[in-house]
Amino acid sequence: DAGVIQSPRHEVTEMGQEVTLRCKPISGHDYLFWYRQTMMRGLELLIYFNNNVPIDDSGMPEDRFSAKMPNASFSTLKIQPSEPRDSAVYFCASRPGRDNSPLHFGNGTRLTVT
Amino acid sequence: KNEVEQSPQNLTAQEGEFITINCSYSVGISALHWLQQHPGGGIVSLFMLSSGKKKHGRLIATINIQEKHSSLHITASHPRDSAVYICAVRPSGNTPLVFGKGTRLSVIA
Repeated sequence: DAGVIQSPRHEVTEMGQEVTLRCKPISGHDYLFWYRQTMMRGLELLIYFNNNVPIDDSGMPEDRFSAKMPNASFSTLKIQPSEPRDSAVYFCASRPGRDNSPLHFGNGTRLTVT
Repeated sequence: KNEVEQSPQNLTAQEGEFITINCSYSVGISALHWLQQHPGGGIVSLFMLSSGKKKHGRLIATINIQEKHSSLHITASHPRDSAVYICAVRPSGNTPLVFGKGTRLSVIA
């Protein structure tokens, strides 16, 4: 089991550019979560999916952020256009469907927007 | 709204010391998680508990449901324990976790 796989590990881009972050959850996991981590605010939930369907996107900061899960093995988080305040570490996590199962995190994508 | 408060925010200890990190939350929960994040690394789940106590090696986690409080203890601390420890609670069943801001632990040799 390779765990949750995120790419890229690091992304540096200029303000205004489109950024796409990718995630491959653990096979068989029904839930997929996108989190953002900053020094000021800690870990924040952006959006989560259950069986590829978005359940709660209330944490998505604004319309510049969008997330998709076209199939059970792949999800993307897109920021268009990016801004310096989007600089953070973005984590993807997945877990099985049964109640209170543990969460498995990817290694994160460190995004820097200049 | 469920708030999760951790204390202390930062902790420096000498190698070998017994360490306690505390977590308090404001509403009923179905489970509490302790996570570990190493510098530059990903996040690892250490414990998930809904009552009592769990132990894994030198790590012990306890929870008091009535008092809405949990503690993470590290016995015989070692520099490799240096990390950020994050408490997270699940309000019910399959709802998403609510995270504390973490406790940054540095263990000095």
